[in-house]
Amino acid sequence: NAGVTQTPKFQVLKTGQSMTLQCAQDMNHEYMSWYRQDPGMGLRLIHYSVGAGITDQGEVPNGYNVSRSTTEDFPLRLLSAAPSQTSVYFCASSYSVRGHNEQFFGPGTRLTVL
Amino acid sequence: AQTVTQSQPEMSVQEAETVTLSCTYDTSESNYYLFWYKQPPSRQMILVIRQEAYKQQNATENRFSVNFQKAAKSFSLKISDSQLGDTAMYFCAHYSGGSNYKLTFGKGTLLTVNP
Repeated sequence: NAGVTQTPKFQVLKTGQSMTLQCAQDMNHEYMSWYRQDPGMGLRLIHYSVGAGITDQGEVPNGYNVSRSTTEDFPLRLLSAAPSQTSVYFCASSYSVRGHNEQFFGPGTRLTVL
Repeated sequence: AQTVTQSQPEMSVQEAETVTLSCTYDTSESNYYLFWYKQPPSRQMILVIRQEAYKQQNATENRFSVNFQKAAKSFSLKISDSQLGDTAMYFCAHYSGGSNYKLTFGKGTLLTVNP
């Protein structure tokens, strides 16, 4: 199993550009989520999904869109990048939301918005 | 809303010694889960230990153990026989067992193990 994969690992954008961060897992996990990590802030939840076709907002959803058309993939879209979105982004997945199993994290994407 | 507080932004310990990282949380749920995650310089998030709120016994994983005080809403991590490879950022996290499917993290404690 590859686990949770994220692409790209690094990205530089200009203000106003759009892009999609890719996340995939091959463990047939029900739950997937996106976090951003900023210095001194820990990890903050952006969006999450409890299954294909079901998504919901987390703590900091503004400026981001998600969709979950398959169990495996959970892309994060930046609609119009802003410098405030400069961060490290992590995708995570877990087997089930019931009883909460361990979340497996991807390696992260470092995004810089100029 | 759940909150998780880690009051120690940075800590250091000598190799082979014991260190305790503090974490407090606030929740209105009766059934929930608590975690400690480790993030070494590689940036990879690694689960260290997990505690289910309805279990009174403190969780242990080799050199890592927790002191779970449910009434005080405290969840500290003790690392025994510290090793250089324990140098990392440590995050405390809370997950509600109800319909709020969200893992809430503290801001982290940077632990440095000195030789």
